[in-house]
Amino acid sequence: AQSVTQPDIHITVSEGASLELRCNYSYGATPYLFWYVQSPGQGLQLLLKYFSGDTLVQGIKGFEAEFKRSQSSFNLRKPSVHWSDAAEYFCALVPRGSGNTGKLIFGQGTTLQVKP
Amino acid sequence: ETGVTQSPTHLIKTRGQQVTLRCSSQSGHNTVSWYQQALGQGPQFIFQYYREEENGRGNFPPRFSGLQFPNYSSELNVNALELDDSALYLCASSLEWASGRTGELFFGEGSRLTVL
Repeated sequence: AQSVTQPDIHITVSEGASLELRCNYSYGATPYLFWYVQSPGQGLQLLLKYFSGDTLVQGIKGFEAEFKRSQSSFNLRKPSVHWSDAAEYFCALVPRGSGNTGKLIFGQGTTLQVKP
Repeated sequence: ETGVTQSPTHLIKTRGQQVTLRCSSQSGHNTVSWYQQALGQGPQFIFQYYREEENGRGNFPPRFSGLQFPNYSSELNVNALELDDSALYLCASSLEWASGRTGELFFGEGSRLTVL
């Protein structure tokens, strides 16, 4: 069965510090991979996505993520966190292959708190 | 702002009642997906509609049903409400996820349902 695991439920970093949010997936092949951000009371906004090619993908708001097939991971990083980055972050996958409908399978999310 | 609008934003129902949630998709998008997000959890796929037909369903009982209209807007209906149905219901619109295409889902801000 396909699944996404985000091992860290809650992370606190100081403003200006670097950030890495972990994401591991379980799937028999390489899926499509996504990171979404959800601010309080808001819907989900796409930060970045990986479909194929370069394993380091750049996204909006200065975020990047690296796909590592050997580790089944797709960790999200940012070199310097801003207070406005405080939010809930979700990693998600879509299985490849015929018949898939673009159904997103989400992890449980990581809540990011930013200290001044 | 994604252009996906949902209504109502908040509502309170009692057990056993029925509820209808509405979604207006982004212009040009012919596919609508619905997700349930319980408190502290990642979104769970309910179902997807493509050209007015259900095109994929998650692990939800038949009392969760939907419609898509010719203008691609959509409704989610839930009958015989249970306490566990309390959640944020998210609608996402996209182009069809056909083989070889890599569509992006645009989410609305959600409808928060409380069942008492």
